[in-house]
Order: sequence, then C-alpha cells, then structure tokens
Amino acid sequence: DGGITQSPKYLFRKEGQNVTLSCEQNLNHDAMYWYRQDPGQGLRLIYYSQIVNDFQKGDIAEGYSVSREKKESFPLTVTSAQKNPTAFYLCASSMMDRSYEQYFGPGTRLTVT
Amino acid sequence: KNQVEQSPQSLIILEGKNCTLQCNYTVSPFSNLRWYKQDTGRGPVSLTIMTFSENTKSNGRYTATLDADTKQSSLHITASQLSDSASYICVVGENTGTASKLTFGTGTRLQVTL
Repeated sequence: DGGITQSPKYLFRKEGQNVTLSCEQNLNHDAMYWYRQDPGQGLRLIYYSQIVNDFQKGDIAEGYSVSREKKESFPLTVTSAQKNPTAFYLCASSMMDRSYEQYFGPGTRLTVT
Repeated sequence: KNQVEQSPQSLIILEGKNCTLQCNYTVSPFSNLRWYKQDTGRGPVSLTIMTFSENTKSNGRYTATLDADTKQSSLHITASQLSDSASYICVVGENTGTASKLTFGTGTRLQVTL
C-alpha cells in the first residue's frame, strides 16, 4: 500500500446521503487519482489531479466531486446523484512525469442501502 | 476503443505448480504494460512494468513477457505458493504525450490450493 492511506476501510450510508472518502499520501507525488472497482470490471477512472487546486474528470465522473487543496490530500465525495454508488473505491498517486507508475491505497468499500 | 482482455477469468492450481496468465490488448499508441497483484479487499500492488522495447521482466517467481507486435503479454508464476492466491490485473498505458492514460483488464482470479 506504500505511503497512501484511505479511510475508512468500510463505509455504510443510506441512499440520498452524500459521503466523503479520504485519501492521503506522503510520497510527495504530484498526481492523484480516484478509481472505482466493480465485480467483473476493470478499474475505471473517476477523477484525477496533477497539481494542487486543479483536477480533471475521468471516464465516470458523474455523481462525484473532488477537491485538491493540499498536495497530500485528494478527498472524493460521492453525491446522491450517483445512481450506483456501492463499490470498492481506490485512490492512487504518481509522479507527474510517471503517470503510468501509480501506487494504490488499500481502498474503501462503500455500501449504500 | 482501447481494451485489455485477460484469460482465464479464474484459475485453480495446486501449490508448487506453475501457471501462466494471458493478457491481450488493443491500446494504441502503446506506452507500457504493467502487471498488478490484488489481494481480496486490498489495493493493487505492482509486480512488473515493461515498455515497448522490453520483452521480458522478472520479479522473483513472477516473469512477465511482452510481444508488442501481437499485442500480447503473459505472466508466468513459478512454484506457486498459497500466498499467490489473488487477482492479477494487466494494465496497459497509452502514450498521450503529456500523460499515460491507463486501461485496466478485469483480472484473473488465481486460487492456489494444497
């Protein structure tokens, strides 16, 4: 898991509630990423950020929001607009010029009922 | 559309045996290919990474091969151990100039038994 921490490991929420997943890294990496993992599917990119106070949508950004106020932190908010929020969420980070070399956190399993 | 296909979907082998996992991709322009190991409920951990000019890379009992002409890669595990039980994910990077866009395979679920 390297120097990336995600909390909590398990999260339960009622439908209609927003929830924020935490991701912190101490690797001094410039770029950070959020992925979603569902059974039988490859990881899908939600959002990524290459620099503080800047971020870009990935392939499945609808219903999610992020912020990057500090280099070490990249929290993900799952909003009530996300139609199928139950999933395993993975945060990753990399050096700016080595985006193919991403290091992953331990993940957060979100269950929405 | 860029795709990464892995086979088999799942595999059961006896401890001590060897196995080979396959990865076929259509990502272009190709930048790199990486194999990750993911234990259940954990984040993926990198095993090997290969660029266009490399056709083999080893990491202990794990050996990855790459044929960029046929767009195929394999991961060979030698003398399997119970701790090798995990999902193995093939990830292909696309050279986009400023960054590498990654396409993930769905993984091969390996179970090593006694």
